[in-house]
Amino acid sequence: AQSVTQPDIHITVSEGASLELRCNYSYGATPYLFWYVQSPGQGLQLLLKYFSGDTLVQGIKGFEAEFKRSQSSFNLRKPSVHWSDAAEYFCAVGAQSGGYNKLIFGAGTRLAVHP
Amino acid sequence: EPEVTQTPSHQVTQMGQEVILRCVPISNHLYFYWYRQILGQKVEFLVSFYNNEISEKSEIFDDQFSVERPDGSNFTLKIRSTKLEDSAMYFCASSEARGGTSGNTIYFGEGSWLTVV
Repeated sequence: AQSVTQPDIHITVSEGASLELRCNYSYGATPYLFWYVQSPGQGLQLLLKYFSGDTLVQGIKGFEAEFKRSQSSFNLRKPSVHWSDAAEYFCAVGAQSGGYNKLIFGAGTRLAVHP
Repeated sequence: EPEVTQTPSHQVTQMGQEVILRCVPISNHLYFYWYRQILGQKVEFLVSFYNNEISEKSEIFDDQFSVERPDGSNFTLKIRSTKLEDSAMYFCASSEARGGTSGNTIYFGEGSWLTVV
């Protein structure tokens, strides 16, 4: 069965520091992969997505993620974190064959940013 | 930028009451979804809807739940007789085509907080 694991429930970084949020997925075929962000009181905003092609994908707000098939991972990175990046981040996977009709989400990683 | 809008943002209801959560998907989108997130838990898929019928639903989406597109713009989730465990954030979402096909993305609304007391 498809599943998504985000091993880190909470992460705290200092403003200006680099960030990596981990995501591992379980799916037999090449998945569609997504990172969404949820700021307090806000909905789920798409940061970036991987469907095929270049395994390093760029997203909004300076985020990027790298798909590594051998590790079943899709980690999210940002070279320099801003205080406004404090939010909850969700990794999600959708099935590939025939297109997908739903997303499977990880449990989320809550990011706190120290000034 | 077009967005999915949901009403109400918060609702408190008594156990056993019916609740209708409303959503206006992005205007040219054809697929509509409801997800929910119980406090402290994962975002879970409830149902997807296309061409005026349910195309897929999860085991959570039992007979207490129903969805409807009553007109050309709204998409609703009805919970017939609410239970305490229905307390959650409910997200509406939409996509232009079947999610994943041609790289289409699912766009989410800001959610409706439902508290059942």
